[in-house]
Order: sequence, then C-alpha cells, then structure tokens
Amino acid sequence: EVVLTQSPVTLSLSPGERATLSCRASQSVSSYLAWYQQKPGQAPRLLIYDASNRATDIPARFSGSGSGTDFTLTISSLEPEDFAVYYCQHRANWPLTFGGGTKVEIK
Amino acid sequence: EVQLLESGGGLVQPGGSLRLSCAASGFTFSSHTMTWVRQAPGKGLEWVSAIDRGGVVTYYADSVKGRFTISRDDSKNTVYLQMSTLRAEDSAVYYCARRFCSGGTCYFFDSWGQGTLVTVSS
Repeated sequence: EVVLTQSPVTLSLSPGERATLSCRASQSVSSYLAWYQQKPGQAPRLLIYDASNRATDIPARFSGSGSGTDFTLTISSLEPEDFAVYYCQHRANWPLTFGGGTKVEIK
Repeated sequence: EVQLLESGGGLVQPGGSLRLSCAASGFTFSSHTMTWVRQAPGKGLEWVSAIDRGGVVTYYADSVKGRFTISRDDSKNTVYLQMSTLRAEDSAVYYCARRFCSGGTCYFFDSWGQGTLVTVSS
C-alpha cells in the first residue's frame, strides 16, 4: 500500500500570499497523483489530476507539479475562498489512498 | 450536470447492518467506476470501496474487507454499499464518488455526493 505523507499539517498564511503544499509517496506513483480541496461541511472537490492538470473550472492560481514520490500543490495568491483542507491521492494501484491533509488557515 | 445522491445512513448498533445507496444522474453511469469514501468526524478521507464499469471487479480497503459489499445496478443508475458487522470506528460520513473513466483509463474522483452520515453506537 502506498502511504502518502502531506506537509505541513497546518499552513497559516494571509490572503494574497503564496501557498506551497507537499505530498510525499512511500513509493513511486509516477505522475498518478491528484489534489482535492475540502471546505467545512462540503464534499471534496478535485483540483489537480495526474500531478499537473487542472480539473474543470479550477482557477489558474492552482498548479501542481512533481513525479515519482514528491509532489507540490501551489496556490499562487491566496483568495479568501481558498482557506480549506487539501488532500492528495494517488491512482497508481489499489488501494487508492489519500494523504492526511494540509489545512490552510488564515493567519 | 452530474449529480450523486446518497441515502441510507443513520444510527445503528455495533454488530448491525446498513445499506447505503447512491443514485446518479447527468452522465452515462455504466461508463464509470463508482466508489465510496468515508470521513470520520474531524478526520481525513479514507477510500472504502470501488466497483468497475462492468460491475465484475470490486475493491475494498483492508479495514472493511469481508464486512462491506459494493454493488451496482446500471438499470437504476445506482451504486450500493452493504455494510455488516458494523463497528464504532465505521462511524463517518460516507461519500459516493465517480471515478472518471475515458477509453481504457480511469482517473480520479471528479464528482462527489454530499454524503450520508453513519453512526454506530449502542
């Protein structure tokens, strides 16, 4: 089973700042990694798939990079609606595990 | 518009059973793998189970293997999760999600329902 480790657990930033979130896999998942955003009381929303592809209607301030075992989600300039929890997930093999999440909170 | 609507959650005693349903609309249901993901209160996401486009191949997390059964009825555009021998640690919001498939490749969970709460308690 691939274990995904996200860091940091919490990121405290101000609107307009750049956010950099990390996801590390216990073994190579090639480029088969996604990022989701979840706000309180809502279902997760797919942001990025296959490491660097934005999902439908996702703003350009969200970008993903990486391959193999190290991945990054970057939010170039935080908007008020971006404060949420972010999860990574792989699809390299079963089970399709999630990382533990990074909470981006307002500083 | 893709819509997924879960139902069937509720309060159940330890050792009991429950069947969740997820009714889909707005897309060709039979063309996509369907999955269940759960989230315990205040915790992260945990993938639970998946069923392929043909309904033949199923997958389970180790934590539910042998206790949960996923199935689908393409004539009703519905996926089910039969949960048995429930434990307190199964308490969570259960989300139904579509794993988008195109051609021979299935990708990630691009559409989610709003979830149904399962509480296992005496």
